[in-house]
Amino acid sequence: NAGVTQTPKFRVLKTGQSMTLLCAQDMNHEYMYWYRQDPGMGLRLIHYSVGEGTTAKGEVPDGYNVSRLKKQNFLLGLESAAPSQTSVYFCASSYSTSGTDTQYFGPGTRLTVL
Amino acid sequence: GQNIDQPTEMTATEGAIVQINCTYQTSGFNGLFWYQQHAGEAPTFLSYNVLDGLEEKGRFSSFLSRSKGYSYLLLKELQMKDSASYLCAVSYPRGSNYQLIWGAGTKLIIKP
Repeated sequence: NAGVTQTPKFRVLKTGQSMTLLCAQDMNHEYMYWYRQDPGMGLRLIHYSVGEGTTAKGEVPDGYNVSRLKKQNFLLGLESAAPSQTSVYFCASSYSTSGTDTQYFGPGTRLTVL
Repeated sequence: GQNIDQPTEMTATEGAIVQINCTYQTSGFNGLFWYQQHAGEAPTFLSYNVLDGLEEKGRFSSFLSRSKGYSYLLLKELQMKDSASYLCAVSYPRGSNYQLIWGAGTKLIIKP
């Protein structure tokens, strides 16, 4: 039981390059989330998914796209990376989004955009 | 929007007790979480409060006052491994679902 895994762990991009971050969970959770964490700020929700084939925008969705083709996977894409997207990205999952369910986090991806 | 306020940094001594406060806007409140995050690692769940009062879990306790929009995390018998950031997160409605709004975290430094 691996929980939530993320690949890659580290990545350096040049401005304008694209990449995809992969998140996988083996807990059969319906809900999955992508956050970014920046110094001095709380975790901010980028996009989330309430089930296979569905996605929705969070607080800071601009410049990102997501897909949830399989229940266990949630992909985050950056089509044209910008230095402002330098951050640590965390994926999380929960059984539901009733507001009372614990979110379980992956180990994070450190992204630097030059 | 909803603001979650907590101190940026606190220092305490090994073996002592420390209280980390969190304040939030009460409108729409649906529950409060505390997470622990060691440097370079993922946040991990510590506690959840939705009713007023104190929830005790070993060396850690969490308190909630819904009317005051206030919570605290109490850590007893501090150990060096408790050096970490402690994140307060509040659940609020977002459309037909709920969303967690996160505080910036309190970095706790434990000194021998």
